[in-house]
Amino acid sequence: GQNIDQPTEMTATEGAIVQINCTYQTSGFNGLFWYQQHAGEAPTFLSYNVLDGLEEKGRFSSFLSRSKGYSYLLLKELQMKDSASYLCAAYNNAGNMLTFGGGTRLMVKP
Amino acid sequence: DTAVSQTPKYLVTQMGNDKSIKCEQNLGHDTMYWYKQDSKKFLKIMFSYNNKELIINETVPNRFSPKSPDKAHLNLHINSLELGDSAVYFCASSLQDSLSLGYTFGSGTRLTVV
Repeated sequence: GQNIDQPTEMTATEGAIVQINCTYQTSGFNGLFWYQQHAGEAPTFLSYNVLDGLEEKGRFSSFLSRSKGYSYLLLKELQMKDSASYLCAAYNNAGNMLTFGGGTRLMVKP
Repeated sequence: DTAVSQTPKYLVTQMGNDKSIKCEQNLGHDTMYWYKQDSKKFLKIMFSYNNKELIINETVPNRFSPKSPDKAHLNLHINSLELGDSAVYFCASSLQDSLSLGYTFGSGTRLTVV
C-alpha cells in the first residue's frame, strides 16, 4: 500500500526560510514529486527527486533520502505569493501512478 | 494554448443523473489520469490510462468509467450521481518515459451534486 505523511499547516514570515517535510511508505517507489497548489487552481509541478540528495531550483530546493523514506521541500526568501498548499507525491512504478499526501497549507505572513 | 483542458469548469446536477467531464491534452503525452480532490483537499488517483492499459483504483465505484476515444482525450463518465461525488475532478497527463517532467494538470471541474 501507499502511505504519505506531511504536516497539515505551517506558518512562516515573509523573507524567511521554511522546510516542509514528507515521509512516505510505498512499494515500487520510483520518485518523489512536489507540487504547489493555490486555492481554486490546478497543482503545478515544482520538483522531482529519484536519487538521494538535494535538487535546487531557484528559491526552491527538494531533498530525498530513499533509505529513510523522507523528503523535504525548502523554500527560501519567502514571498506572500508562496502562500499555497504544497503536495508531496510518490510515484509507484508498479501501478504507474502518482499518489499524493494530504498537502501542507503554508501561510506566509508579512 | 492550454496544455490540458477540461470541460466544463463547473457542473451542478441533481442526484441520480448521469454526467460526463471531458479532458483533452495537446502535449503529446501517452498517459492520462483522473484525480478527485475532496473538501479536505486530498487528491486521490481514480484512473491511469495509456493506449495499452487502464489501471483503476480499487476504491472507485463502478459508477465511474473513463473513456478514451484517442490518445489525446480521456473523458470521465459518472452514472447515478450521489451527494458524495461532489468534489473537484482533475485530469492530468504525463509522458511515461520522462517522469522528471512530472504530471501536467488541467484546471479542474467542480462538480456539485444537489
